Amino acid sequence: GAVVSQHPSRVICKSGTSVKIECRSLDFQATTMFWYRQFPKQSLMLMATSNEGSKATYEQGVEKDKFLINHASLTLSTLTVTSAHPEDSSFYICSARDTGRGFYEQYFGPGTRLTVT
Amino acid sequence: GIQVEQSPPDLILQEGANSTLRCNFSDSVNNLQWFHQNPWGQLINLFYIPSGTKQNGRLSATTVATERYSLLYISSSQTTDSGVYFCAAQGAQKLVFGQGTRLTINP
Repeated sequence: GAVVSQHPSRVICKSGTSVKIECRSLDFQATTMFWYRQFPKQSLMLMATSNEGSKATYEQGVEKDKFLINHASLTLSTLTVTSAHPEDSSFYICSARDTGRGFYEQYFGPGTRLTVT
Repeated sequence: GIQVEQSPPDLILQEGANSTLRCNFSDSVNNLQWFHQNPWGQLINLFYIPSGTKQNGRLSATTVATERYSLLYISSSQTTDSGVYFCAAQGAQKLVFGQGTRLTINP
C-alpha cells in the first residue's frame, strides 16, 4: 500500500518550452501533496505544498509563475515548469500524505529527471 | 524552522559490518522518517518513527524525542545497502531533510 507514482520518469526538453509532471497516489487519497527538487549530490528541498481544491503554498524563493501546481483531485497533483531554462534541470520528486490515516508520514514518488537543453 | 543534522556524512564499511547513522533535530517533532535513496533516485521509506524503537529485518531505528535525536542501525551490511540515507523531521510546519549519509559497503 501507499504507492505514489510519477510520470514521466525522465524528460528532455528545449529551452523555452513547458513541461508537465504528474504525481498520483495510487491506493490512497491525498488532500495534501508536496513537490521537492534535488540537485546532484544534494538533499531534497521543498518547493511547494499542494492542497486539493485550493492554491498551492510556495516556499520562499520559488517562483510560482514558473512552477505551476494544480491539485485537481484527491489522487492527482501536477507540476508544470513553464518556459524552462537549463538551470531548471533537476530531479523533481513528489510526495503525498494519506489523508485517511491521520499520520504525518509522507510517501514519495520515484522522481522525474528533467533536462533542459 | 526545524533544523536536521546527520552524521557521519560518509561511511565506508566492509560487507558484514554493522553501522549506526545519527540524526539530530532542533525542535520537537510530529514526524521523523528515515529513507534510503537508491541509485535511481527513488526514496524508499525505511521507518516512520517520531518516537520509540522499530525493527525491520537487519534494520532498526530509535528516536529519543526528549533528547532530539534518532539513530538508524544496519546490521550485517550487504553491498545492496549502499546508497544515501536521509533523515527527515517535521515540527509544526514542513518536513525538513538532513544532508544525508552516503554509505558504501565494499565486498
